[in-house]
Parts: sequence; structure tokens; C-alpha cells
Amino acid sequence: SSELTQDPAVSVALGQTVRITCQGDRLRSYYASWYQQKPGQAPVLVIHGKNSRPSGIPDRFSGSSSGNTASLTITGAQAEDEADYYCNSRDSSGNHLVFGGGTKVTVL
Amino acid sequence: EVQLVESGGGLVQPGRSLRLSCAASGFTFDDYAMHWVRQAPGKGLEWVSGISWNSGTIGYADSVKGRFTISRDNAKNSLYLQMNSLRAEDTALYYCAKDLSIEVAGTPDYWGQGALVTVSS
Repeated sequence: SSELTQDPAVSVALGQTVRITCQGDRLRSYYASWYQQKPGQAPVLVIHGKNSRPSGIPDRFSGSSSGNTASLTITGAQAEDEADYYCNSRDSSGNHLVFGGGTKVTVL
Repeated sequence: EVQLVESGGGLVQPGRSLRLSCAASGFTFDDYAMHWVRQAPGKGLEWVSGISWNSGTIGYADSVKGRFTISRDNAKNSLYLQMNSLRAEDTALYYCAKDLSIEVAGTPDYWGQGALVTVSS
């Protein structure tokens, strides 16, 4: 079982806001990163660190963290945001990463 | 433009070996850690292994430890994954990914398109 827990699926109405969560003890010490994956495509990094967006990622994507929970928020969801979203983080050993099980986001 | 191109995938029988390669371009390869991440058909992402910029730090998922070996050749801008004693559960699309930093426990940022490995008799 994954050490980072995500809800399997969420839905959001077009233009509304959705929050995707990722829970795990390691998140008390380390930030999560977030990836978007569309069918048949490689994952794309959308958020890393405290709340950093790589170049080209729309500002409707934001990240936050509290306790053992990291969150990815999409403010004003668009049809093209429909995808699987994965969180990942490191462990204290310094040489392991782990991914959450993924959340399928459906835009209605 | 960062490019990562995996090769070496294919159909292999259980217990046999396979070696994946990843050719990197568009960035200074020896400034960054690199990773292999896999995705079984219809499943989520699974981190497999990571290697620091100078090969000084290497990590493996428990599921592959002792069977897989990651390596890199900075002179050739290439990353490798030697997979031995392959099992049916190793069947997956294997992605090569660049990290944001020199550290193994960092953040993969750019990903290749993947190499498909199918383990079946």
C-alpha cells in the first residue's frame, strides 16, 4: 500500500474550485510535489516545494500543506484539467521517493 | 529543450534480464539527479530508483532492491536500468525522469515518454 494516501476520484463543475489532498506522516517534514497525467501522456509537474509552479503551469494551480496533509487546489477548473493527479514526497533516508495512489479529476 | 528518450523495452520471459537506457539532452546532465519511475497498465506511478548527479547516492524501491541496478554515464548523457530476475509484476511503462536538484530524494520535473517492459512466458 502507498504511504501517501489520495482519494481515488473527485469531480468539479466547470469553472469551480477543487481541492485534492494527499496524506502521509512524511508530509509533516517534507513538501509534496504534484503531477498531472492525461491519458497516454507522461506526467507533468504542476506544483513543487511550498507552492512553486514550473514555467507554463497556469496560476489556477496552487499548493498548500498543513500537518500531515498536502493539498493541490485548482481554482476555476477548466475542461483541460481533467486528468489523474499524483502527489509525491521523499523520506528521511534521503534516497527514497514515494507516490500517492492518484486522484482522477473529472470536470463536469 | 529538455529531452529524455528511453529505449530497450520489450517482451521478456520471467527470470530473464533486460537493460533500459535513457538518452538525455537539452540540459547539463551531470548537474542533476535522475530517476526511473514505472506505471503498470491501468495503475498509478511507482518510483523505482534514483541516482544522484555523481552516482554517490543511489536508492531503490523495496520491490526491486537486489534485482535492479541503476547507473549513469555522465560523459554519454545517459541513464541506465539493469533489470534482472524479472517477474510478471514488473510489467509496466518505465519512465526516465530528470530531477530538479542533484539529490536522489528530490523532485522529478521532466519525464520521457517511457519504455514498455512486458514480462510474460
